[in-house]
Amino acid sequence: NAGVTQTPKFRILKIGQSMTLQCTQDMNHNYMYWYRQDPGMGLKLIYYSVGAGITDKGEVPNGYNVSRSTTEDFPLRLELAAPSQTSVYFCASSLSGVFYEQYFGPGTRLTVT
Amino acid sequence: KQEVTQIPAALSVPEGENLVLNCSFTDSAIYNLQWFRQDPGKGLTSLLLIQSSQREQTSGRLNASLDKSSGRSTLYIAASQPGDSATYLCAVYTEYGNKLVFGAGTILRVKS
Repeated sequence: NAGVTQTPKFRILKIGQSMTLQCTQDMNHNYMYWYRQDPGMGLKLIYYSVGAGITDKGEVPNGYNVSRSTTEDFPLRLELAAPSQTSVYFCASSLSGVFYEQYFGPGTRLTVT
Repeated sequence: KQEVTQIPAALSVPEGENLVLNCSFTDSAIYNLQWFRQDPGKGLTSLLLIQSSQREQTSGRLNASLDKSSGRSTLYIAASQPGDSATYLCAVYTEYGNKLVFGAGTILRVKS
């Protein structure tokens, strides 16, 4: 099993550009999450999904959008990139919500200049 | 609002020492607490998951305890090795908001 995979690994965007961060898991997990990690800080939840077709906002959703059309994929869309979105983005998945471990992808390092 | 604090922010120890990392949280209304390891430039790896009804969990040289009423957890690492060098993060799954809340982490360096 590959687990949770993320593409790209690195990306530099200019202010105002848009992009989609890809996340795929092959563990048949129902729950998927997007986090961002700023230097010296813990991870903050952007969006999460409890199953295909169902998404909900986390702690810091502004400037991002998500969709979940399949169990495996959970892309994160950045519209009109801003310097404040410079961060490392992690995708995670779990079998269910509360009682199960979350498994993380390797992350995407995004710089907006 | 749930807040998670980890002390110390950084720790440097000689190889072979036993060490304790601390995690505290402000709201005891949690479902579980998870300890993660993060290597530089990498994702997070789950180390231990403690349900709110449990007091501790063990995996190899790692032991994590949970005192929900006082809002504290400790991660004990026995006989530390240079390969244990990493950032250790704790996170609590809150009863409100269906999410993990993370601490900022403790950066551990084990010197050979």
